[in-house]
Amino acid sequence: AQSVTQLGSHVSVSEGALVLLRCNYSSSVPPYLFWYVQYPNQGLQLLLKYTSAATLVKGINGFEAEFKKSETSFHLTKPSAHMSDAAEYFCAVRGSNSGYALNFGKGTSLLVTP
Amino acid sequence: DSGVTQTPKHLITATGQRVTLRCSPRSGDLSVYWYQQSLDQGLQFLIQYYNGEERAKGNILERFSAQQFPDLHSELNLSSLELGDSALYFCASSVDPTGYEQFFGPGTRLTVL
Repeated sequence: AQSVTQLGSHVSVSEGALVLLRCNYSSSVPPYLFWYVQYPNQGLQLLLKYTSAATLVKGINGFEAEFKKSETSFHLTKPSAHMSDAAEYFCAVRGSNSGYALNFGKGTSLLVTP
Repeated sequence: DSGVTQTPKHLITATGQRVTLRCSPRSGDLSVYWYQQSLDQGLQFLIQYYNGEERAKGNILERFSAQQFPDLHSELNLSSLELGDSALYFCASSVDPTGYEQFFGPGTRLTVL
């Protein structure tokens, strides 16, 4: 079964600092990986997705993620944090046992301080 | 705005009751997924429909059921509600059954008292 593990339930960065949110995956097949963001009282918005085309994936709002097979990782980064980036971030892998539903990590809450 | 709509936004009910949550997918999307988000379980997949037919089941309780109608909207029915059913219920849609890109609605927050 496909699964992801997000390291760190809370991450705090200063405005302007690098954002690094960690995600490791486990998959018996080449994975399809996703990062979603959830702002307070809102649904999930897709930031970016990896579908085996390119290992470095660029998403919306300046975020990007790099797929590293040797490390089974798909970490999310942003060079310079903005206050508006404060939200909950979820890493997900597309399953294959239950149709193609997404298997989510437990989420990382990003706090951005002035 | 993802284009996926869910009603109601909030729902407060009592234990033992039955509720129905509604989802309208994005225009052109044939596949609908239901997810439950709770503090202890996180985001969990419940069930998927594609073009009116059940496609896959996840961690869905027997007290819960869903269907997708000819106009492609979907309803999630929760019965004999328990306190532990309090959660955010999300609907997502995608154009095909492979879930390549799922678009999420704003969710329905269910509170069971």
